[in-house]
Amino acid sequence: EVQLVESGGGLVQPGGSLRLSCAASGFPFSTYEMNWVRQAPGKGLEWVSYISGSGSIIYYADSVKGRFTISRDNAKNSLSLQMNSLRVEDAAVYYCARHRHYYTSGTYQYFFDYWGQGTLVTVSS
Amino acid sequence: QSVLTQPPSVSGAPGQRVTISCTGSSSNIGAGHDVHWYQQLPGTAPKLLIYGNNNRPSGVPDRFSVSKSGTSASLAITGLQAEDEADYYCQSSDSSLNWVFGGGTKLTVL
Repeated sequence: EVQLVESGGGLVQPGGSLRLSCAASGFPFSTYEMNWVRQAPGKGLEWVSYISGSGSIIYYADSVKGRFTISRDNAKNSLSLQMNSLRVEDAAVYYCARHRHYYTSGTYQYFFDYWGQGTLVTVSS
Repeated sequence: QSVLTQPPSVSGAPGQRVTISCTGSSSNIGAGHDVHWYQQLPGTAPKLLIYGNNNRPSGVPDRFSVSKSGTSASLAITGLQAEDEADYYCQSSDSSLNWVFGGGTKLTVL
């Protein structure tokens, strides 16, 4: 059974830092691309960051570029998100989500097939 | 605001059929990127509902179906049940923004 368990959320002041972790199990972690997706209180979903299976390809949403760093440890089946210079607008539940893709219509199609339960990040003074 | 546009809410009585629209642009849905749908029950994490052309993960009933045309897509739910009350999100790829979601639609079963 695929399991994704996030941890590391909490209360932090604006300008502060926080490191989120996601422990994966039930699938060959190193062969899957992974993502962080967040959801502000009462709001919709926002993709945050992507990392390839080897960790060699990384993407960020413009809203977090230069402040957040995604990484993975395939030996430990673990995904991380280092969040620096946190802003009030970064407050959200952060989900780690497994990526899957298939090829059709001349391009790769990507979706998120498994999600963790989320960890809450509160940014407030 | 979200790159993909969904109605904030829809409602229907048990047994009825409802649809949820998802409107994008030429850089996402209109560029040939498939649309995928997620269901978020109250207080829980999103769950994959349908991906691409009516591909349902194990356990998702065929009461849920999707269609796509041009820069828009739709999720249809037939035989509405109380357990379908949830938030629904569409998602696609975008040529310049990587992966984008709709703002979500709250389905109320009357």
